[in-house]
Amino acid sequence: KAGVTQTPRYLIKTRGQQVTLSCSPISGHRSVSWYQQTPGQGLQFLFEYFSETQRNKGNFPGRFSGRQFSNSRSEMNVSTLELGDSALYLCASSLASEYDYTFGSGTRLTVV
Amino acid sequence: EDKVVQSPLSLVVHEGDTVTLNCSYEVTNFRSLLWYKQEKKAPTFLFMLTSSGIEKKSGRLSSILDKKELFSILNITATQTGDSAIYLCAAALSSNTGKLIFGQGTTLQVKP
Repeated sequence: KAGVTQTPRYLIKTRGQQVTLSCSPISGHRSVSWYQQTPGQGLQFLFEYFSETQRNKGNFPGRFSGRQFSNSRSEMNVSTLELGDSALYLCASSLASEYDYTFGSGTRLTVV
Repeated sequence: EDKVVQSPLSLVVHEGDTVTLNCSYEVTNFRSLLWYKQEKKAPTFLFMLTSSGIEKKSGRLSSILDKKELFSILNITATQTGDSAIYLCAAALSSNTGKLIFGQGTTLQVKP
């Protein structure tokens, strides 16, 4: 079966710009979570969507937002990019939160 | 504050050695403990542990959870160079949050 697909794989943006990342979950999976991974902080939870509703949000500023569509695909948006936003952004999907999560390969964002 | 701590942070062994990776957690509304292996980008799922004292095995890997002492261990026997990776443990919270709290990870290097 197809895995979790994240696009694009790599992005280079300039400070102040905004960016949109996309995640297509495994077919049938309704829960999609987003994580930021940096060498210093490890994997940190951004937010989780289930059936188009955000159920939980991590401790990130309001510049980080997301949404989920009726087909369970999800997007996350970061506005007014800062150098510190450079990271690997990982998306994970699950049938429901009681099950394990399958991760995508991530989007490597570099802010210059 | 919810937290997950892994030890050691890094480990270098030789092929054939047995390693034990540790994960302790302090979270409210704990539901399960998950282990992932991250080689390049996408963390790949290894185990999900919900019940205390029941060992889960997959080939040379095994894991167990102690909900009284709030820790889990991941054992790898007869290590191979292909086991070189970052091993992540994460605590899943109770239903309807979709949030995983990750430890810092243990970087394992297996030398030939």
